[in-house]
Amino acid sequence: DAGVIQSPRHEVTEMGQEVTLRCKPISGHNSLFWYRQTMMRGLELLIYFNNNVPIDDSGMPEDRFSAKMPNASFSTLKIQPSEPRDSAVYFCASSLTGQGSAGATFGSGTRLTVV
Amino acid sequence: QKEVEQDPGPLSVPEGAIVSLNCTYSNSAFQYFMWYRQYSRKGPELLMYTYSSGNKEDGRFTAQVDKSSKYISLFIRDSQPSDSATYLCAITNAGNNRKLIWGLGTSLAVNP
Repeated sequence: DAGVIQSPRHEVTEMGQEVTLRCKPISGHNSLFWYRQTMMRGLELLIYFNNNVPIDDSGMPEDRFSAKMPNASFSTLKIQPSEPRDSAVYFCASSLTGQGSAGATFGSGTRLTVV
Repeated sequence: QKEVEQDPGPLSVPEGAIVSLNCTYSNSAFQYFMWYRQYSRKGPELLMYTYSSGNKEDGRFTAQVDKSSKYISLFIRDSQPSDSATYLCAITNAGNNRKLIWGLGTSLAVNP
């Protein structure tokens, strides 16, 4: 099992540009989570999908952030336009329904730098 | 007051030492307590999962919960250089286990 696969691993972009982060969850997992991690705020849950449907997006910071899950094997997190304060490590995690966040397997993250 | 407080360290110990990592929390409704380990440039991985008060042991790791004090601990016995990582505590209540409340993490270095 390859685990949760995220791409790209690193992204450097200029302020105002659109950024798209990608995630392939573990096959068979039907819950998917997007997190953001910074030194100051730690890990923050941005959005949670169950069976490809967004269940809770209360953690999405602004309308500049959007997430989609068109099928069970792919999800994207888009930031448009990006700002320097969006610089962080973004993690995708997946789990079986019922395991919740506690049972989730995390990817290795995408380190985003907005200059 | 933050819902979960965790000393960021860094903590540096010699190989073989006993390590104690701690978190405090503010909401007595929380019932599920977790410890995660995060290696550099990796995502967190679940180490220990406990419900309510008491101790849970898994090899060299012991998780302890004191609900009366709202205090949780992770003990590592016979620490190894491979234990060098950031350790994060996370808590949740029974009805919303998809939304964990995370500590900021404690950075641990075990020196050979």
